[in-house]
This record gives sequence, C-alpha cells and structure tokens, in this order.
Amino acid sequence: AQKITQTQPGMFVQEKEAVTLDCTYDTSDPSYGLFWYKQPSSGEMIFLIYQGSYDQQNATEGRYSLNFQKARKSANLVISASQLGDSAMYFCAIARFEKLTFGTGTRLTIIP
Amino acid sequence: KAGVTQTPRYLIKTRGQQVTLSCSPISGHRSVSWYQQTPGQGLQFLFEYFSETQRNKGNFPGRFSGRQFSNSRSEMNVSTLELGDSALYLCASMGGALGADTQYFGPGTRLTVL
Repeated sequence: AQKITQTQPGMFVQEKEAVTLDCTYDTSDPSYGLFWYKQPSSGEMIFLIYQGSYDQQNATEGRYSLNFQKARKSANLVISASQLGDSAMYFCAIARFEKLTFGTGTRLTIIP
Repeated sequence: KAGVTQTPRYLIKTRGQQVTLSCSPISGHRSVSWYQQTPGQGLQFLFEYFSETQRNKGNFPGRFSGRQFSNSRSEMNVSTLELGDSALYLCASMGGALGADTQYFGPGTRLTVL
C-alpha cells in the first residue's frame, strides 16, 4: 500500500516570502510518480508539479519547485515569492498505475 | 483546449434516491478516474476507466458504479443514497501527447444527501 503524510495542517506566510510544504511518502514500488495539487475554495484540483522517482533533477514549474529526497522519501513543495492567490489547500499525492493516493493536505494562507 | 467538465456542479438528493454524475475528459484523453472527497475521509479513489473498461477500483460498496462511453465521457452512479455519500465528487482525465501520467481534474460535483 502507498501512503502520503503531510504533517502541516495549516500555515500562515507573509506575502512575497517563500514557503515550503512538507510531504513524506511510503511505497514499495520501485517506480512511482509524485504530484502536488492546489485546491482553492472553489473545489477544483489544480495540477502544479510532477516528479518521477527516476528523475535525476528536481522538478520546477515557474514559482513551484520540488525538493525531492528519494532516500528520505520526501517530496517537499517550495513556492517562491508567495502571492495572495496562493492561499488554498495543497495536496501531495503518489501514483500507482492510474490511482492517486493523497495526503490530508496543508491549508496555506498568505497574509498581505 | 477545454479542460475536464463535470455536470451538474451541485446536486441535492434525499436518502434512498439514486444519482448520476457526468464527466467529459480533456479531448484526446482516454482514461477517466473518479474520486470522492469528504472532510472525514479526505480524497479517496473510486474507480478508473480506460477505453470503456474499468481498470482499477477503490474500496467502495457496490452502490457506487460507473461506465465510460466510446467518446471517453464517463458517468458515475450512486444508488440508494446514504447521508454519508454527501461529498465533492471529482473526475480526472489522463493521457495525451504531453504529461501522459498526470491526472487533470474537473471542477467537481458537490452532492448533498438530506
């Protein structure tokens, strides 16, 4: 079975600061994919970034980067220069075939 | 390119009724997955369809069923609704030339069972 742990239920960050959202995972699969999604209050899950277990470099997508430490089984999301629009729930997920297993999420609030 | 669409967006039903939710994937995507999101259980995988065949199934009772049509559109049905079925139901599609392993979600259908 696969498991995702997000230990930060909520975070408050000043606008324009960088923020790191923690994610650790457990899997016995030799090959897997890790994802981060953003869920605003509207409910839609917005894909942010993907990291493959065999990728040599950490993934980056604009202001989002993933600090992937395979030996520690961690895949932390880093958001640089946070904006008010970044306020949302953030979910880390791991894929096995076509099934995503999600963590419990972190509610991020950006303070002006 | 249009994203994943789900209809209806909101639904109110009473216990014992049945409901059908619809999902249209991104054009060219052939895999459609369904998830249930509740405050207590979080996000849970229901099932996944590819080319009209169910490939994966989560741990939900048989009251939850689905199907996929030849145009990749998918429907999910819940029979004999219970109060605990109140949730946000999210559909996701996957497949295509880029980001083939990434699931893209629709806006969800919020179901309330009274």
